[in-house]
Formats: sequence, C-alpha cells, structure tokens
Amino acid sequence: KAGVTQTPRYLIKTRGQQVTLSCSPISGHRSVSWYQQTPGQGLQFLFEYFSETQRNKGNFPGRFSGRQFSNSRSEMNVSTLELGDSALYLCASSLGLGRNTEAFFGQGTRLTVV
Amino acid sequence: GNSVTQMEGPVTLSEEAFLTINCTYTATGYPSLFWYVQYPGEGLQLLLKATKADDKGSNKGFEATYRKETTSFHLEKGSVQVSDSAVYFCALSGPGGNNRLAFGKGNQVVVIP
Repeated sequence: KAGVTQTPRYLIKTRGQQVTLSCSPISGHRSVSWYQQTPGQGLQFLFEYFSETQRNKGNFPGRFSGRQFSNSRSEMNVSTLELGDSALYLCASSLGLGRNTEAFFGQGTRLTVV
Repeated sequence: GNSVTQMEGPVTLSEEAFLTINCTYTATGYPSLFWYVQYPGEGLQLLLKATKADDKGSNKGFEATYRKETTSFHLEKGSVQVSDSAVYFCALSGPGGNNRLAFGKGNQVVVIP
C-alpha cells in the first residue's frame, strides 16, 4: 500500500512569488491535514480537509490556503511568499475523523524562499 | 487551547543506556496522546499512542503511560541503540471530531556507540 506522497520534495522560490504544494493521501483516506515545521516554531497546524471541506484551520494568515479534490488529493497554496515561509511542509492523511484516528505523514516538501 | 510541553534541549546518551523524555500536556476533556519519531530527511512516523487514562502505549521497546492526574505522557526505553537516534515529538489530539494534532517542540536524541 503506497504511503502519503508529497510533491515536489524541494522547492526554491523568490520573495513575492506564489507556490503550490501537492499531497496524495493513502488510498481510501479521506482526511488530509497540513503542518508547517520550522526550527523556531516547531510543528504548527495549518488546516485540515475532509471530503473536500475545510474542517479546521490554524492561526496562519490568509496567504495560506488549501483545497481538497474529490479523489482526496490536496493542495496548499502560499501567495506573496516571505522569507519566513521557508519551512518543511508536512501532509498527513487519516482514514476518518476523531481523536483516535492515526495520522500518516508524508516526507514533506522543503520550501526555501530567497 | 490544547498544548504540549517537552523537556528542553537535546538528549545525548550511550548505547544501552536508559532513555526518558518528559512530556506534559494541557487540554480540555480527554485527548488522545501520541509519540512520533522523525529520522533525518523524513516525515513523522507514529511510534506509539494511548487514548485513555492509564493506557500504556508500547512499540519497539518504547513505552509511555497516559497519566491524567499528572497530565503527562513520558517516553521511556530501557536500552537504547544507535539506530534510535532521531527527533521525538509528543502530540495530542482532540477531543472533538477532527484530526488536528498539537505537538511539543521535539527532542533530538543522539545515541553514542
């Protein structure tokens, strides 16, 4: 069974540009969550989607957005990139919803903003 | 809101030593508790979990017990190996109908042969 696939693995962008990251969850999983990981702030929750609906959103500016498609694949978009957006972006997929549901993480996309 | 606190700083120890990483949490209701491990260049892997008070999660020689009275979920391993070198994150989920995880800052564990 294939795991969570994130593309691309590495990305370098210039300040002011926008970027789209992609996540393909495990087959059959309907929930996708996104996290930002930085050395200073650690792992922070961005948002969660289930059946194409955003269920939960973290405390990030509106420049961060996401969506989920009918096949459960998800994308997140960051517009007007800032240097502080440099981070490892992790996607997690889960079968359903609820506190007992196990999250499976992808390897992440390493975004560098220059 | 929900939050997780891990002990500060990296942990360096010799092979076969005893490992403890402290984790305490703040949450409303009854969260589920997790330990995740991250190897260099990789995403997070679930190491173990506990979903109710007094539950003990265990995997690969690691153990952690859900202590509601002390709001703690400390990770322990009796005899570490070099291959256990990684970053360890404590996390909690819930309550509520979502999968949002709150993570601690993580602890870098370095095991010296």
